[in-house]
Amino acid sequence: DAKTTQPTSMDCAEGRAANLPCNHSTISGNEYVYWYRQIHSQGPQYIIHGLKNNETNEMASLIITEDRKSSTLILPHATLRDTAVYYCIVCSGGTSYGKLTFGQGTILTVHP
Amino acid sequence: DAGVIQSPRHEVTEMGQEVTLRCKPISGHDYLFWYRQTMMRGLELLIYFNNNVPIDDSGMPEDRFSAKMPNASFSTLKIQPSEPRDSAVYFCASSSTGVRGYTFGSGTRLTVV
Repeated sequence: DAKTTQPTSMDCAEGRAANLPCNHSTISGNEYVYWYRQIHSQGPQYIIHGLKNNETNEMASLIITEDRKSSTLILPHATLRDTAVYYCIVCSGGTSYGKLTFGQGTILTVHP
Repeated sequence: DAGVIQSPRHEVTEMGQEVTLRCKPISGHDYLFWYRQTMMRGLELLIYFNNNVPIDDSGMPEDRFSAKMPNASFSTLKIQPSEPRDSAVYFCASSSTGVRGYTFGSGTRLTVV
């Protein structure tokens, strides 16, 4: 599976949009981009995934560049409860059964 | 749905003892994953099952670790004998083809003294 690169940490003001970038320049055609987050002491939580089209759900939006070498997770109105480690993962298989390899992720801190 | 259920939540054991961690996946899910998380190594996939059959155990650190899935609703991860370096949080997750993402349990925090 392709490797991903994320910033170590980011800050965001409560109520503002949080934009978390991820680079995956070696992604191949059948690999999906997944985003998970882990709130302190809890198990990771699925957020969203996509192949090449932008995706939106009740939690977030995922913007994938046309060349698919990078993506951005957008939390439109961040709250204090969004403080967590966010993982960007590239995974083959196209459905949830692909092996997920977690990197170090981005520590997002939402402050008042 | 109660989600993925792991037990115990916390386990403290002495070095050399056998430890068994348990997981009940979400009903209907046919994939089950065991992960380990430490500060040094982050989240590591240990093993995963499909339809109760182990598919990939390349992440299992050594022979002291073993995992079983006797039926679709139960899996165990056993460490025998345990060592202090096995101290970590162990997560179980389940999924199914066509389902969005994995659902993780709350984890078992293992401390080996």
